Amino acid sequence: AQTVTQSQPEMSVQEAETVTLSCTYDTSESDYYLFWYKQPPSRQMILVIRQEAYKQQNATENRFSVNFQKAAKSFSLKISDSQLGDAAMYFCAYRSGPNSGGSNYKLTFGKGTLLTVNP
Amino acid sequence: NAGVTQTPKFQVLKTGQSMTLQCAQDMNHEYMSWYRQDPGMGLRLIHYSVGAGITDQGEVPNGYNVSRSTTEDFPLRLLSAAPSQTSVYFCASSSLMDRGLNYGELFFGEGSRLTVL
Repeated sequence: AQTVTQSQPEMSVQEAETVTLSCTYDTSESDYYLFWYKQPPSRQMILVIRQEAYKQQNATENRFSVNFQKAAKSFSLKISDSQLGDAAMYFCAYRSGPNSGGSNYKLTFGKGTLLTVNP
Repeated sequence: NAGVTQTPKFQVLKTGQSMTLQCAQDMNHEYMSWYRQDPGMGLRLIHYSVGAGITDQGEVPNGYNVSRSTTEDFPLRLLSAAPSQTSVYFCASSSLMDRGLNYGELFFGEGSRLTVL
C-alpha cells in the first residue's frame, strides 16, 4: 500500500517570504498523481496544485510550485511571496493512475503541515 | 454550481444513537467516498463507491455503513454512535474517466462536525 509522509507537523513563515513544505511517498507504481490540498480554518478542502508522475516538468500555479523528484519519491510545495491568507493546514496526497494496475480509486493523504504566516 | 453537498454541517449525538450523513454531488462523478479527519491523523478513508450499487471498505470502516442507489447520492450511516466516532467527516467525489484536466482530483464537501457524547 502507498504511504505519504509529511515530516513537518508545523511550519511558520514571514509575510512576503518563501516557504517549502516537504512530502515524501512510497510506491512501486509508475503511473500516479500527486496533490497538495489546502485546508483553511473554514475547513473547506481546496486543491492547490497537482502533478502527474509521467510529466517531468514541475507544476506551477501562480505563487505555488512543486519540486517533484520522482526517483527520490519527493514532492515538496514551495509558496513564494507568502500572504496571510496562505495560513492553513496543507495536505499532500497520492492517487494511483488508471494504468497503474492497482486501485486508482483511493486518495492517500499525509497527516498534514500547519502553516502559520506571521505579519 | 453546487458541487458536493453535505448535510448536516454540525450534529451532536448521544452514545448508541444512529444517524445518517447525507452527501450529494451534481457532477456525474462515478467515484464517491467518505473520509474522517482527526487531529494529527490526516484524512482516513471510511468507505468508497465507484458507481451505483458498488461500495467497498476503506481504512476505517467499522461502525459505518454506506449504500449507493444513485450516481448522485452516497449517505454514510452510523449504526450505534460511539465517542470514538467524534470527528469531522468529509464526502468527496471524482471522475474516473479518461485523463482530462481534472482527472484524479477529489472534490470535497464542506465537512460535517459530529460530536458523540
